[in-house]
Amino acid sequence: DAGVIQSPRHEVTEMGQEVTLRCKPISGHDYLFWYRQTMMRGLELLIYFNNNVPIDDSGMPEDRFSAKMPNASFSTLKIQPSEPRDSAVYFCASSLNRGRKPGANVLTFGAGSRLTVL
Amino acid sequence: GESVGLHLPTLSVQEGDNSIINCAYSNSASDYFIWYKQESGKGPQFIIDIRSNMDKRQGQRVTVLLNKTVKHLSLQIAATQPGDSAVYFCAEAGGSQGNLIFGKGTKLSVKP
Repeated sequence: DAGVIQSPRHEVTEMGQEVTLRCKPISGHDYLFWYRQTMMRGLELLIYFNNNVPIDDSGMPEDRFSAKMPNASFSTLKIQPSEPRDSAVYFCASSLNRGRKPGANVLTFGAGSRLTVL
Repeated sequence: GESVGLHLPTLSVQEGDNSIINCAYSNSASDYFIWYKQESGKGPQFIIDIRSNMDKRQGQRVTVLLNKTVKHLSLQIAATQPGDSAVYFCAEAGGSQGNLIFGKGTKLSVKP
């Protein structure tokens, strides 16, 4: 398996533009997580899915952020409109639930998408 | 509240020495802990994990110690190598949904 695949690796956009980040989890994994990483706040959980269903989106900053998982092999995180404070590295991670709490399984992270909003 | 923090933001060690990275957690109900390593430009990579029914677990050159009495976690790296230079994160499964909560990380620099 190629691991968790994220695209784009780098995105530079102007304030007000729509940004779409993409993720392909590891085949067979039933949990998918979106994290945001900044120097100030570290790694923050934005939202996670179980079997393609959003379970907890309490970490999504505001209505400008939305995430979807139309099938088991694809998820998107969309920011519309983007703002300079959204600049960060966005990570997607997936895991296979072994009958424990969602966080109590090893997460495999993608390489991240570095977003810069000017 | 629920939080995971690190005592030392940076750690510099000599190649060949042992490294110890510390982590404090606040949720006594957390029952699973994990260490990740993040190299520059990459995503976090799993190193080792431990469940709350254990106080020590060993891997290849790494050992995780868990002290539930003082809510403290540590990662020990034996014979530190230049390739160990990275930021190390501890995380606990202690959120209301059992999600992983990450600390802010410790940067480990290995001097040749």
